[in-house]
Amino acid sequence: EVQLVESGGGLVQPGRSLRLSCTASGFTFGDYAMSWVRQAPGKGLEWVGFIRSKAYGGTTEYAASVKGRFTISRDDSKSIAYLQMNSLKTEDTAVYYCTRLIMVRGVINWFDPWGQGTLVTVSS
Amino acid sequence: QSVLTQPPSVSAAPGQKVTISCSGSSSNIGNNYVSWYQQLPGTAPKLLIYENNKRPSGIPDRFSGSKSGTSATLGITGLQTGDEADYYCGTWDSSLSVNWVFGGGTKLTVL
Repeated sequence: EVQLVESGGGLVQPGRSLRLSCTASGFTFGDYAMSWVRQAPGKGLEWVGFIRSKAYGGTTEYAASVKGRFTISRDDSKSIAYLQMNSLKTEDTAVYYCTRLIMVRGVINWFDPWGQGTLVTVSS
Repeated sequence: QSVLTQPPSVSAAPGQKVTISCSGSSSNIGNNYVSWYQQLPGTAPKLLIYENNKRPSGIPDRFSGSKSGTSATLGITGLQTGDEADYYCGTWDSSLSVNWVFGGGTKLTVL
């Protein structure tokens, strides 16, 4: 069974950092690009960013709202994707979902599956 | 405000049919595939439709997708109370500032 499990969420003060982890199982992790999507309380889905597989350079792309503050990385030997969040703001409060993505000709086509999510609360 | 426009809510009776629209532009829907996601209350999103009109295994054929120009539509027939959820469309966006965009979401109520 393909499964993604996020961890690392919690309460953090504005300006501080937090690192989320996404542990994958049930598929060859290194063959896939991975993405993070967040959902603020009572709001819709917001794409955060993604990391390509090593075969495609392992490069990253980010939404404008997090660019320069968030960094996505991966450890294929452990089947884990990370989201390093720095200079956190109150508006970063959200449930963060990890998801595997399917890319065709360099374009994201869809996300499947999704993890259960981990809540990040940024507050003083 | 989302790049893709969905109605905030739709409703219909059990057994009826409902459609949810998703409107975009040439930089997103007009030139890329659309996918749809179902989010049941308190759970993570789940892929419902990919590449405009394809259903992953396990998704019943009551769910369908279509695309025309810069708009996409999700259709659900034979509505069940278990279909009450938030539905999101999403697609790649070729503009400089973003790579992927979601619609604002549509809450389906089965009366």
